[in-house]
Amino acid sequence: QVQLQESGPGLVKPSGTLSLTCIVSGGSITTSLWNWIRQPPGKGLEWIANIYDSGTVKYNPSLKSRVTISRDTSKNQFSLELTSLTAADTAVYYCARAQALVGDSSYFDPWGQGTLVTVSS
Amino acid sequence: DIQMTQSPSSLSASVGDTVTITCRASQNINSCLNWYQQKPGRAPTLLIYAAASVQSGVPSRFSGSQSGTDFTLTITSLQPEDFAIYYCQQSYSIPPITFGQGTRLEIK
Repeated sequence: QVQLQESGPGLVKPSGTLSLTCIVSGGSITTSLWNWIRQPPGKGLEWIANIYDSGTVKYNPSLKSRVTISRDTSKNQFSLELTSLTAADTAVYYCARAQALVGDSSYFDPWGQGTLVTVSS
Repeated sequence: DIQMTQSPSSLSASVGDTVTITCRASQNINSCLNWYQQKPGRAPTLLIYAAASVQSGVPSRFSGSQSGTDFTLTITSLQPEDFAIYYCQQSYSIPPITFGQGTRLEIK
């Protein structure tokens, strides 16, 4: 049974850089697609980026200039870096596996428990 | 980007009721539509994938259907644990993957 666990700082400063890691257990990150999704307090869900089993990455165009997703296959984990932070980046950040269907079609399952990141001085 | 519009944004119902939540895509997404349930302080969990396939372990009172670019989540015989927020999500045309704004299902 695949499980995901996010880790990273809970508080980061404006204009700074957020770095989060998702540790995957019970399955290999060299299979499936691995994603970052965020949710501002009291608001809806926003997909940030994913990384394929091949290493190909895709980004949300609204964040693309500030985001990098990467992986470390030796540690079976993948990471998110988000730069030039503002208060609008305050959110719960989730990592999730995407199970592929046909073409690019997929669904998110399972999700990590999420980690709250607050951008504040 | 493909926009996903959910309706209603909130809904009150009683235990035992049947409710429907609708998600409309701004363009064709075939059947690339998933539904999630989110309870307070928890990550979303998958209910329905590919418009109408029920995820393993999800009660049979949950079902999904499609008519063109309109998708429906139906919950029959509401149980107390079903009161939550529900989101639709498309993965037909990426990037980006997009979600609906959510529907809050509350106890009447």
